[in-house]
Amino acid sequence: SQTIHQWPATLVQPVGSPLSLECTVEGTSNPNLYWYRQAAGRGLQLLFYSVGIGQISSEVPQNLSASRPQDRQFILSSKKLLLSDSGFYLCAWGTGEYNSPLHFGNGTRLTVT
Amino acid sequence: AQSVTQPDIHITVSEGASLELRCNYSYGATPYLFWYVQSPGQGLQLLLKYFSGDTLVQGIKGFEAEFKRSQSSFNLRKPSVHWSDAAEYFCAVGSNFGNEKLTFGTGTRLTIIP
Repeated sequence: SQTIHQWPATLVQPVGSPLSLECTVEGTSNPNLYWYRQAAGRGLQLLFYSVGIGQISSEVPQNLSASRPQDRQFILSSKKLLLSDSGFYLCAWGTGEYNSPLHFGNGTRLTVT
Repeated sequence: AQSVTQPDIHITVSEGASLELRCNYSYGATPYLFWYVQSPGQGLQLLLKYFSGDTLVQGIKGFEAEFKRSQSSFNLRKPSVHWSDAAEYFCAVGSNFGNEKLTFGTGTRLTIIP
């Protein structure tokens, strides 16, 4: 069966520090991968998605970047964190097939201080 | 562009009572619609989905939702809630990019009282 892993689960970082959040998927090949952010009191916002290795699409201009170095690995990064980067970050994968939903990881709670 | 509105930020119901969570969407074509549930500190779990066909969709944990095109709604219902249903619920609509590039509503937090 397919599983999705995100780490770390919780992270506290000072303003101006770098960030790297990792997401890996097991049990499937060539998944579509997604990074969503959930800010306090708000819904989920799609940040990035990827349909293949090295292929990244950004949905909103921001202080973050994403990379997909391997088929089932998706990384969210920042060179210098801002206070506004605080939030709950969720990775998700999908097959891209009709009638197939997104599957989410357990998320990373990021607090920028 | 598509959008989703969940007009109720927070709902409180008694255990055993019926539940309806509202969702209205805006999308130019036939929508792909989803309800997800998020327990505290956890990721999202799919409750149910609508792609086509029967407008009353059954999901997990005893939930159902009804697609009403004339009202642009996809409300989630459960006849009798359990304390374990306390969570945040998100409605989402899929775009032309397959059915995965989802636009989510802001969520409804459900509290269950004894």
